[in-house]
Amino acid sequence: EAGVAQSPRYKIIEKRQSVAFWCNPISGHATLYWYQQILGQGPKLLIQFQNNGVVDDSQLPKDRFSAERLKGVDSTLKIQPAKLEDSAVYLCASSLIGARDMSWPEQYFGPGTRLTVT
Amino acid sequence: GQNIDQPTEMTATEGAIVQINCTYQTSGFNGLFWYQQHAGEAPTFLSYNVLDGLEEKGRFSSFLSRSKGYSYLLLKELQMKDSASYLCAALDSNYQLIWGAGTKLIIKP
Repeated sequence: EAGVAQSPRYKIIEKRQSVAFWCNPISGHATLYWYQQILGQGPKLLIQFQNNGVVDDSQLPKDRFSAERLKGVDSTLKIQPAKLEDSAVYLCASSLIGARDMSWPEQYFGPGTRLTVT
Repeated sequence: GQNIDQPTEMTATEGAIVQINCTYQTSGFNGLFWYQQHAGEAPTFLSYNVLDGLEEKGRFSSFLSRSKGYSYLLLKELQMKDSASYLCAALDSNYQLIWGAGTKLIIKP
């Protein structure tokens, strides 16, 4: 089966510019996650969707970050305006259904988008 | 607060065995994951433990002690391709993954 798709793979922008990332999860996966991973650190959850509803966005900097998952399939994450500290890899992951509903809540990750803000 | 601790870096020799430890403190607990992440790539799933004990899967094994808040990943017959970061992540009471910073494993010939 096809994996989680993300684009672009790399993006370089100047601070105060805006940027958008796209993610297409594995077909049939109801739950979608966006993570931020700064070099040398573990992934940090930004937002979790179940179908097209938001389950958790407590760590999303809502003054500059936004995300949507229209129709409960693919998703976009936007940063506007970007700051230097937003330089990181943005990972999208999906799982079959919500973790609490299954005994094997594995998340499948896409290749990530490496963002550099200059 | 919630916290995952694992060593920053470990070095081992090709063909040897290495054990990567992880301790966790979370609000509730619904299991412990290990993921492998090669440089510049996405994490890939290795193991999931929710009950105490050892789970073996080929050259990789994972152990969990819920009472001690402790897990380890055991890698046997190390190969050069095992050079990667190994991420420990605990599933808390809200079924959110709390991630460690990862252990960078360096394999020397």
